[in-house]
Amino acid sequence: EAGVTQSPTHLIKTRGQQATLRCSPISGHTSVYWYQQALGLGLQFLLWYDEGEERNRGNFPPRFSGRQFPNYSSELNVNALELEDSALYLCASSRQEGYGYTFGSGTRLTVV
Amino acid sequence: QQQVKQSPQSLIVQKGGIPIINCAYENTAFDYFPWYQQFPGKGPALLIAIRPDVSEKKEGRFTISFNKSAKQFSLHIMDSQPGDSATYFCAASKGLRGGKLIFGQGTELSVKP
Repeated sequence: EAGVTQSPTHLIKTRGQQATLRCSPISGHTSVYWYQQALGLGLQFLLWYDEGEERNRGNFPPRFSGRQFPNYSSELNVNALELEDSALYLCASSRQEGYGYTFGSGTRLTVV
Repeated sequence: QQQVKQSPQSLIVQKGGIPIINCAYENTAFDYFPWYQQFPGKGPALLIAIRPDVSEKKEGRFTISFNKSAKQFSLHIMDSQPGDSATYFCAASKGLRGGKLIFGQGTELSVKP
């Protein structure tokens, strides 16, 4: 079974630009989660999508947004990029009734 | 109340030693406690998980001990190997339909040969 795939692997953007990160969950998984892993700050919860709906949102400004498509894939958009947005962005998926997350390898976003 | 506190921040042990990583939580609604292992350049991988109705769970060389009254849980790695060198995260969540995991800050483990 294919794992959670994220693209691109690396992304370099200039401050003020927009970034779009993509995630394909494991087949059969309907929930997608996004986390930010900045250096020294652990994994911070960003967004949770389930069946196309946003179920929960972490303590991030509105310029962090996303959506989930009918095929359960998801994208994370970050507008008006700031230097402190530089981090590893991780996507995870799970079954609707399950607890176990499977993470992708992440997208390394660098804002210069 | 949503926090999960993890210690120590870093840990160095000799091969064959038993590193112990501890986590504490406040929210009694949490009912799922997983541990994740992360190697550099990779996403975290689920290692082992426990529900609050058991006090201990073993999977291979990894053991979770759970103390519900103290709201603490810990990871023990028996006969540790250099290949176990990684960052370990504890986490907690609540609810029947998955939901967000709250992660500890992570422990960087180094196992010396």
